[in-house]
Amino acid sequence: NAGVTQTPKFRVLKTGQSMTLLCAQDMNHEYMYWYRQDPGMGLRLIHYSVGEGTTAKGEVPDGYNVSRLKKQNFLLGLESAAPSQTSVYFCAVKEAGEGIYEQFFGPGTRLTVL
Amino acid sequence: GEDVEQSLFLSVREGDSSVINCTYTDSSSTYLYWYKQEPGAGLQLLTYIFSNMDMKQDQRLTVLLNKKDKHLSLRIADTQTGDSAIYFCAERRTGGFKTIFGAGTRLFVKA
Repeated sequence: NAGVTQTPKFRVLKTGQSMTLLCAQDMNHEYMYWYRQDPGMGLRLIHYSVGEGTTAKGEVPDGYNVSRLKKQNFLLGLESAAPSQTSVYFCAVKEAGEGIYEQFFGPGTRLTVL
Repeated sequence: GEDVEQSLFLSVREGDSSVINCTYTDSSSTYLYWYKQEPGAGLQLLTYIFSNMDMKQDQRLTVLLNKKDKHLSLRIADTQTGDSAIYFCAERRTGGFKTIFGAGTRLFVKA
């Protein structure tokens, strides 16, 4: 089992270009999350989904869009990239329900916007 | 409001104990976590504690929770160079979809 995978691992964009980051899971978990990690700021939640066909805004959603058309995939889109979106992006998944349920993270996508 | 605070850096000598501290603000938080991030990788759960516990021990790891002060700590005994990583404190309330992460403490272990 691959767990949580992210595509691509690295990307360099020019300002104004668009791209889509793909998160895929084989864990059959309901909840999926997109975070960005910046030095000294930890993880900030961009968007999340509590099930197929649903999405919700997190702490820093501006400039990003998401879709969850299939349970196993969660896509993060940048329509017009800006240098402020240079960051490392992590996807995470979690089981639904109460309990300690941890989040399982992908390996990250390092994005540079010039 | 939701906020989790940690110091950004800690440096210890190999063999010493490391103590990483965290404060949180949401008294409704039920689940408190410590995640570890090694270079170039995603976060992995290291340990956790329920809010109705004061202490949890797991081999070299000891988690202490002071619920009155909303203070959480992670002690690593006999710290090894392989423990060098970023450690994130996190909290989640009962019924919550979101886990709130601190900024992470970068642990340096000197040989």
